[in-house]
Amino acid sequence: EDKVVQSPLSLVVHEGDTVTLNCSYEVTNFRSLLWYKQEKKAPTFLFMLTSSGIEKKSGRLSSILDKKELFSILNITATQTGDSAVYLCAVVVLGVNRDDKIIFGKGTRLHILP
Amino acid sequence: EAQVTQNPRYLITVTGKKLTVTCSQNMNHEYMSWYRQDPGLGLRQIYYSMNVEVTDKGDVPEGYKVSRKEKRNFPLILESPSPNQTSLYFCASSFRQGTPFFGQGTRLTVV
Repeated sequence: EDKVVQSPLSLVVHEGDTVTLNCSYEVTNFRSLLWYKQEKKAPTFLFMLTSSGIEKKSGRLSSILDKKELFSILNITATQTGDSAVYLCAVVVLGVNRDDKIIFGKGTRLHILP
Repeated sequence: EAQVTQNPRYLITVTGKKLTVTCSQNMNHEYMSWYRQDPGLGLRQIYYSMNVEVTDKGDVPEGYKVSRKEKRNFPLILESPSPNQTSLYFCASSFRQGTPFFGQGTRLTVV
């Protein structure tokens, strides 16, 4: 059975700290890995990763994928209180009907203390 | 503005009373799906649709129905809601092999 596991489930740090969120997966027919940020409403898209070793970067956020070891990390440097959210990792696989299927992890709840 | 619109945003209903949650997207996306999000369980897919008149079950389809008569709309139907369907529901859409774009969510409580 395909699965996506995120760790830690919850994390509390002080403003200015750097955090690393982890996402490991066991799937067949991997297509891509997605990161989302969810505050109180809908998840908003952060990154899509398809190739190993190529870092995606947006401001203080960056992410990288390791397709050999089957994991991805999301780094946030110089954290701010506005980074407090649930971060979701999802893996896109090719389903049995040749449709894309998306499997979400349970998320990491990040809380930044001022 | 590109968006996925769900209605209603909040709903409290009683067991057994049929309800429909609407979802509409204005991006001409082929792919639409419904998720429910529950504490400790994450986002789980209920149903998805690859295109008009093409729908398929996700991981937790029991107790739900969908239809895709038009490309932009993908309503979620609960014929006889039960308390275990109390949840936060998200509709999402994307181009084929694109990244899902989520609606704002519908918080449903069934008493």
